[in-house]
Amino acid sequence: ILNVEQSPQSLHVQEGDSTNFTCSFPSSNFYALHWYRWETAKSPEALFVMTLNGDEKKKGRISATLNTKEGYSYLYIKGSQPEDSATYLCACRGDGNNRLAFGKGNQVVVIP
Amino acid sequence: GAGVSQSPSNKVTEKGKDVELRCDPISGHTALYWYRQSLGQGLEFLIYFQGNSAPDKSGLPSDRFSAERTGGSVSTLTIQRTQQEDSAVYLCASSLVRGPGQPQHFGDGTRLSIL
Repeated sequence: ILNVEQSPQSLHVQEGDSTNFTCSFPSSNFYALHWYRWETAKSPEALFVMTLNGDEKKKGRISATLNTKEGYSYLYIKGSQPEDSATYLCACRGDGNNRLAFGKGNQVVVIP
Repeated sequence: GAGVSQSPSNKVTEKGKDVELRCDPISGHTALYWYRQSLGQGLEFLIYFQGNSAPDKSGLPSDRFSAERTGGSVSTLTIQRTQQEDSAVYLCASSLVRGPGQPQHFGDGTRLSIL
């Protein structure tokens, strides 16, 4: 089972500030990395699926980078808004494996 | 179009009872996954179905857990003789194909509480 670590576990961000957090995973046997946003009382929503080393993806004010050689991904939120408050889940899939291994999430609270 | 639908949304039952959770995936999605999140833990893989292939059951925590997928569509997760440690949010997800670039689409989950 892949060990996926996310840090920090939780963070409070002032509205308008930018923030970022980290997902680390085993670099060997890497296949794909997923980011999801999970808001309270809703279903997890797919943000990005990344497969290539050096990949950068952007969706509105949220962007992500991937380094498969050293085994980490960063998620950035630019100009945080209250609607960004959610838990951000990182999940990794190994080659030849059907399962996603999830981290415990980064819980973000944006303070108005 | 309709997303992944799960029922019931909440289930409270006594220890020792059997429970059945249902998942309706997105139409046309051949891959279906079950996960659960226990308090303070990350999402834990349970089982994976892909088309007519034998399911990957490697994540099921005990033989009290079983799942089936009828006709390549609807899936049910059954927990027999429930225990308190089975209390969790059970999430179902579906995706188009097994390729690396496909995201999984999740339902709202079933919150299971064992008294």
